[in-house]
Amino acid sequence: QSALTQPPSASGSPGQSVTISCTGTSSDVGGYNYVSWYQQHPGKAPKLMIYEVSKRPSGVPDRFSGSKSGNTASLTVSGLQAEDEADYYCSSYAGSNNLYVFGTGTKVTVL
Amino acid sequence: QLQLQESGPGLVKPSETLSLTCTVSGGSISSSSYYWGWIRQPPGKGLEWIGSIYYSGSTYYNPSLKSRVTISVDTSKNQFSLKLSSVTAADTAVYYCARVVAARPYDAFDIWGQGTMVTVSS
Repeated sequence: QSALTQPPSASGSPGQSVTISCTGTSSDVGGYNYVSWYQQHPGKAPKLMIYEVSKRPSGVPDRFSGSKSGNTASLTVSGLQAEDEADYYCSSYAGSNNLYVFGTGTKVTVL
Repeated sequence: QLQLQESGPGLVKPSETLSLTCTVSGGSISSSSYYWGWIRQPPGKGLEWIGSIYYSGSTYYNPSLKSRVTISVDTSKNQFSLKLSSVTAADTAVYYCARVVAARPYDAFDIWGQGTMVTVSS
């Protein structure tokens, strides 16, 4: 099972929006509504930001939103803030033989 | 507040077995509402799912690691454990334990331990 494809990097100025894509196949992203997004700061554990495509856990700002179209899922961060600078990983259910596949990761830089 | 804490040796010799334990505090691992899992991250690289377990002992493993992985649960100690056999340098990574957000093994991981670095070297 191959990793989901994400752009290596993305950037935006404070207050702007940035969108990160996560491309898979009909066997993972396109086939199920179990896409999640994680934020990871250097040396820290990942933090769940979005689950089941577009749900936000309690405590996650509504500046973070998720969506999916076909085999591609997206995470949008609106009103960028300095603390949003981090690595972001998507993940998806990939069927009964391999429950969980992660994306390649995207480094978001706040200019 | 639920917390997870990984523990185990930080250095393992090649061909030996890596053993880690995740201790759950602030909640019960026997809750029927959650699965629990292990994820790892080699230095400077991305995340890799290792496997997940339910309190009943039902397990799911990454096919690429399945032949070497065993995940078990000890409800009396509120812990679950990871064993990875025949390790090589490629198994050097930060190992995280985490809780799945729901009673579906394929859903997201919402609470994570801080992670523990395991180096495979002689």
